[in-house]
Amino acid sequence: DIQMTQSPSSLSASVGDRVTITCRASQSISSYLNWYQQIPGKAPKLLISAASSLQSGVPSRFSGSESGTDFTLTISSLQPEDFATYYCQQSYSTPHSFGQGTKLEIK
Amino acid sequence: EVQLVESGGGLVKPGGSLRLSCAASGFTFSTYSMNWVRQAPGKGLEWVSSISRGSGYIYYADSVKGRFTVSRDNAKNSLYLQMNSLRAEDTAVYYCAREQIGLGADHWGQGTLVTVSS
Repeated sequence: DIQMTQSPSSLSASVGDRVTITCRASQSISSYLNWYQQIPGKAPKLLISAASSLQSGVPSRFSGSESGTDFTLTISSLQPEDFATYYCQQSYSTPHSFGQGTKLEIK
Repeated sequence: EVQLVESGGGLVKPGGSLRLSCAASGFTFSTYSMNWVRQAPGKGLEWVSSISRGSGYIYYADSVKGRFTVSRDNAKNSLYLQMNSLRAEDTAVYYCAREQIGLGADHWGQGTLVTVSS
């Protein structure tokens, strides 16, 4: 099975900051990497698929990139509504494993 | 508008069974693979199962293999998860989600809570 290691597990930042969350796959997953945002009490929301493809309606301050088995989610300028938990997920092979999550909190 | 509505959650004793349903609307259900994903209280997301459009391909997490059975009825636009031999560690909110093959789950239901406790 493919393991997804996400870092950091938590992050404190301020409105307007640029933040980066990293996800590392235990083996090659090509570009089959997705990013989700989850607000407490709500279902996850797909932000980015195929490592860097922004979903319709997602603000352009969100972006994704890849380098080998390392994947990055960047929020260029944090907005109040961005404080949430973020998960990566590989969809290369089953089980479609998730990272453990990154909780983004207000500093 | 795409809608996924789960139902069937509740309190069940260890060793018991429960059947979850997910009613889909707003899209052509029969043309999409579907997933079940769960989230234990205060924990992260765990992929549980996937079923292809015509039910020809079915996959499970090791943690539920042999105990859970996923199925779908395309005529009724519905997805199901039969859960048997339930354990305390199966306590979670269960989400159904529409899958874009290889591109993640682009629509999710609101979730249904399953609590396994004596």
